[in-house]
Amino acid sequence: NAGVTQTPKFRVLKTGQSMTLLCAQDMNHEYMYWYRQDPGMGLRLIHYSVGEGTTAKGEVPDGYNVSRLKKQNFLLGLESAAPSQTSVYFCASRRTGAYGYTFGSGTRLTVV
Amino acid sequence: DQQVKQNSPSLSVQEGRISILNCDYTNSMFDYFLWYKKYPAEGPTFLISISSIKDKNEDGRFTVFLNKSAKHLSLHIVPSQPGDSAVYFCAASDNSGSARQLTFGSGTQLTVLP
Repeated sequence: NAGVTQTPKFRVLKTGQSMTLLCAQDMNHEYMYWYRQDPGMGLRLIHYSVGEGTTAKGEVPDGYNVSRLKKQNFLLGLESAAPSQTSVYFCASRRTGAYGYTFGSGTRLTVV
Repeated sequence: DQQVKQNSPSLSVQEGRISILNCDYTNSMFDYFLWYKKYPAEGPTFLISISSIKDKNEDGRFTVFLNKSAKHLSLHIVPSQPGDSAVYFCAASDNSGSARQLTFGSGTQLTVLP
């Protein structure tokens, strides 16, 4: 099993550009999450989804949008990138009834 | 306001000795706690967990202790091995909604010296 796959692994954007990060899971998990990791701050929740077609805001949602059109995919969009969005982004999924998440390997994004 | 705190950014221990990583929390709604391990350029991987109805959970070299009255948990690794060198995140799950979001601490970099 591939588990949780994130693409791309690395990206450099210019301020004001847009991009979409893709997360795909093959475990038929109901729940999916996007986190960002910054030095000294751990992982902070951006948005999450409790099922296909549903999304909700997490702790730090400003500047991001998400979509979950298919159960296996969770997309994170940046409409107008800012240097403050330079971070490592992790996607995770969770099956119903479980507490723990399965994480992808991350996307390192630099906004210049 | 951080609801899950790991006050030690780094810890170094000698191979074979015990590593103790600490975590404090403030939210009384947290009812399940997890430890994740993260190597560079990889995603976090689940290590061990504990329910709030227990005070100890053991899995091989890893033991997690929970002190609910103090809102404190700790991860013990005995004996420590060089391959244990990684960043360890404490995470807490609350029962206030169906999404079971995890709230993470800022992590502790463990270095096990050969």
